[in-house]
Amino acid sequence: EPEVTQTPSHQVTQMGQEVILRCVPISNHLYFYWYRQILGQKVEFLVSFYNNEISEKSEIFDDQFSVERPDGSNFTLKIRSTKLEDSAMYFCAISDRALGELFFGEGSRLTVL
Amino acid sequence: AQKVTQAQTEISVVEKEDVTLDCVYETRDTTYYLFWYKQPPSGELVFLIRRNSFDEQNEISGRYSWNFQKSTSSFNFTITASQVVDSAVYFCALSVEYGNKLVFGAGTILRVKS
Repeated sequence: EPEVTQTPSHQVTQMGQEVILRCVPISNHLYFYWYRQILGQKVEFLVSFYNNEISEKSEIFDDQFSVERPDGSNFTLKIRSTKLEDSAMYFCAISDRALGELFFGEGSRLTVL
Repeated sequence: AQKVTQAQTEISVVEKEDVTLDCVYETRDTTYYLFWYKQPPSGELVFLIRRNSFDEQNEISGRYSWNFQKSTSSFNFTITASQVVDSAVYFCALSVEYGNKLVFGAGTILRVKS
């Protein structure tokens, strides 16, 4: 049983469209993260989120990206106007403490056409 | 800045062979954490181990073992008696004291043939 589930598992979208990726933790975790993996490349940190605010973000996480926990449960990543280079696998990760074990979801594959 | 280097892009072995995946890291922080993750063909990231910088004891878990050497900034991973199901991409990663921001290596593709 995974600690976190992600939806959708795969989304195909047209360039310029908005995309929302969702992450649902199984239990009460306090620390949330998004990572990205472009096909065949390394996994890259995007953003960390704690106590309803961003605690750290990478240079990849520009104004096109945003995160929130709208209902205190789901943790979402929004890409406002997708670009071809946003095509990647997006992983949500959760932890119950700052340096606790990091559980990754199964990923959401985004394909931008 | 932190950096993780996995020099082996791809390794192919025959079933039952032992295989070691190398990981070299760079950080100026004295407190840090090292990780190994497995990414099978299905794509998810499976946590294997976390080790902090103050614990240099080697660890063994079944067929898996890890060799942490601060003197050479290495955290190598050995699979004993490899099996076809071990075929995957293996990532080494590093995080420093504040926060869980992981820096990943490029990964090593392991192919185990029967």
